[in-house]
Amino acid sequence: GENVEQHPSTLSVQEGDSAVIKCTYSDSASNYFPWYKQELGKRPQLIIDIRSNVGEKKDQRIAVTLNKTAKHFSLHITETQPEDSAVYFCAASRGGGYQKVTFGTGTKLQVIP
Amino acid sequence: GAGVSQTPSNKVTEKGKYVELRCDPISGHTALYWYRQSLGQGPEFLIYFQGTGAADDSGLPNDRFFAVRPEGSVSTLKIQRTERGDSAVYLCASSLRQSGGGYQETQYFGPGTRLLVL
Repeated sequence: GENVEQHPSTLSVQEGDSAVIKCTYSDSASNYFPWYKQELGKRPQLIIDIRSNVGEKKDQRIAVTLNKTAKHFSLHITETQPEDSAVYFCAASRGGGYQKVTFGTGTKLQVIP
Repeated sequence: GAGVSQTPSNKVTEKGKYVELRCDPISGHTALYWYRQSLGQGPEFLIYFQGTGAADDSGLPNDRFFAVRPEGSVSTLKIQRTERGDSAVYLCASSLRQSGGGYQETQYFGPGTRLLVL
């Protein structure tokens, strides 16, 4: 089955700096890669996703890149703000008729004011 | 509209007891998922329903776990003979029917049920 690895497990940045979280996956058939943000005690919330037909997607301060050859995808947050502090999860899925989503182990991001 | 809701929000039970956890998906969402999230870990897939049927139950850890969705909307996750290791947050998510392009639809999560087995 799919295995998703995520690094780093914790990340501290100064407010205004950029943060990068990296994930790798094992299933070459995976074609959908969402990123979720989870604040303490709250539900995971989708912040951005990317499908295999594109290599990069951007939404304001958040961007995701995908390298299907290397089976690697990354989340980039620019101009970080204290409210960006949370745990971020990457995930991978084959999509289509196979809806199982496999999550990474999470990255705890702390933005220091 | 209303998001995914789950009840109860917290459940404390004793080892060996039976528990039921309920999930109300977003109206119109035909796909429903159950996940288990242990402290410091990502959500772990348990089971996925498309309509009333379980399309993939490969994540259920053993036969003490069972889930139903009899009318294709509300789902109940049932755990028999609970063990301390079952303590976790149980998350439910729902998504629209798979698009014609064959792509995964976005999953929207509920707030979870925090289960504590003493």
